[in-house]
Amino acid sequence: EAGVAQSPRYKIIEKRQSVAFWCNPISGHATLYWYQQILGQGPKLLIQFQNNGVVDDSQLPKDRFSAERLKGVDSTLKIQPAKLEDSAVYLCASSFSRSGNTIYFGEGSWLTVV
Amino acid sequence: RKEVEQDPGPFNVPEGATVAFNCTYSNSASQSFFWYRQDCRKEPKLLMSVYSSGNEDGRFTAQLNRASQYISLLIRDSKLSDSATYLCVVTSGNTPLVFGKGTRLSVIA
Repeated sequence: EAGVAQSPRYKIIEKRQSVAFWCNPISGHATLYWYQQILGQGPKLLIQFQNNGVVDDSQLPKDRFSAERLKGVDSTLKIQPAKLEDSAVYLCASSFSRSGNTIYFGEGSWLTVV
Repeated sequence: RKEVEQDPGPFNVPEGATVAFNCTYSNSASQSFFWYRQDCRKEPKLLMSVYSSGNEDGRFTAQLNRASQYISLLIRDSKLSDSATYLCVVTSGNTPLVFGKGTRLSVIA
């Protein structure tokens, strides 16, 4: 079974530039998550989708971050404009449903803002 | 108080040793608990769920203490391959998973 696919794996941008990350969840998984993991910390949820609807985006910095999952499958996370403190790994994850199920992570997209 | 707190370590233990980590959580309504393992520069992967009655999987034992609001992970007969960061994860049913910062373990030959 194919896992969660993410791209690009690595990205280096200058501050104030924009960047977009793409995620394809495991087939059949209705719930998709974007986490931000800063070095030395645990993953922090940015946004959670159930199919194509947003369940929780309370920790998403909406002035610069946006995410969509238009057809309820793939998702894109965008940062514009990027700040130095956005340097982190952006982990996409998916689960079969919202509660009680194991979530599976992709390998992550490593962002460095210089 | 943070939602999920863990001792960051590192815990440096010799091969064959027994090591235990604790994790405390602040939300008394929390219902589901997990331990995830994260290798260096890799994504987190589920290690085991933590049930009220405890859970054992080979050399790994997880326990829950609701009264004191903590969960624990015990690793017996440590292997070099156990070296990783162990993330404590808590959720209250339909609320998103909350991850701790992780406890780093290094098993030394």
